[in-house]
Amino acid sequence: LAKTTQPISMDSYEGQEVNITCSHNNIATNDYITWYQQFPSQGPRFIIQGYKTKVTNEVASLFIPADRKSSTLSLPRVSLSDTAVYYCLVGGSGSARQLTFGSGTQLTVLP
Amino acid sequence: GAGVSQSPSNKVTEKGKDVELRCDPISGHTALYWYRQSLGQGLEFLIYFQGNSAPDKSGLPSDRFSAERTGGSVSTLTIQRTQQEDSAVYLCASSLEGVMTYNEQFFGPGTRLTVL
Repeated sequence: LAKTTQPISMDSYEGQEVNITCSHNNIATNDYITWYQQFPSQGPRFIIQGYKTKVTNEVASLFIPADRKSSTLSLPRVSLSDTAVYYCLVGGSGSARQLTFGSGTQLTVLP
Repeated sequence: GAGVSQSPSNKVTEKGKDVELRCDPISGHTALYWYRQSLGQGLEFLIYFQGNSAPDKSGLPSDRFSAERTGGSVSTLTIQRTQQEDSAVYLCASSLEGVMTYNEQFFGPGTRLTVL
């Protein structure tokens, strides 16, 4: 299983850029990297997915170095509503058993 | 419906009772997943269904847990002889295709199970 490691928590202020890094040293060749966001009492919601280099969508960017052993989720100009738990998920090339979410990163955006 | 739905939203039961949790995936999604999330923890994979293939049950924690998916749509997770450690939020997700195609998972709101 491709184990992931993320910081337990991060604090930021409104309007700042937030970068959350996930380590996945034993990522497999065909694995993708996916980030999810979870608010209290809700199921996780897909944010972004990538394989290598950089991916950008309307809410976030995902930076993946050439060795793919880590990835960084970048949230530009966060607001209070971005306060949530963010999960890094690595897998997809093997069994569903790989799809285990770690403890995630609790991001708290302060006014 | 527009999204994944789960019922009930909350379930309180007594230790030793059986419970059934239901998941209605997005129409047309071939893959369905069950996860368990204990308080303050990440999501623990339980079981995965893909089309007509045999389910991947490798995440089920004990033989008290079972799940089925009828007609490739609705799924039921059954926990027999519930224990207090089974208390958690049970999340269901579906995706258009299976794990080999890196599909986005769409999650339901979960069922909060409390075993007294």
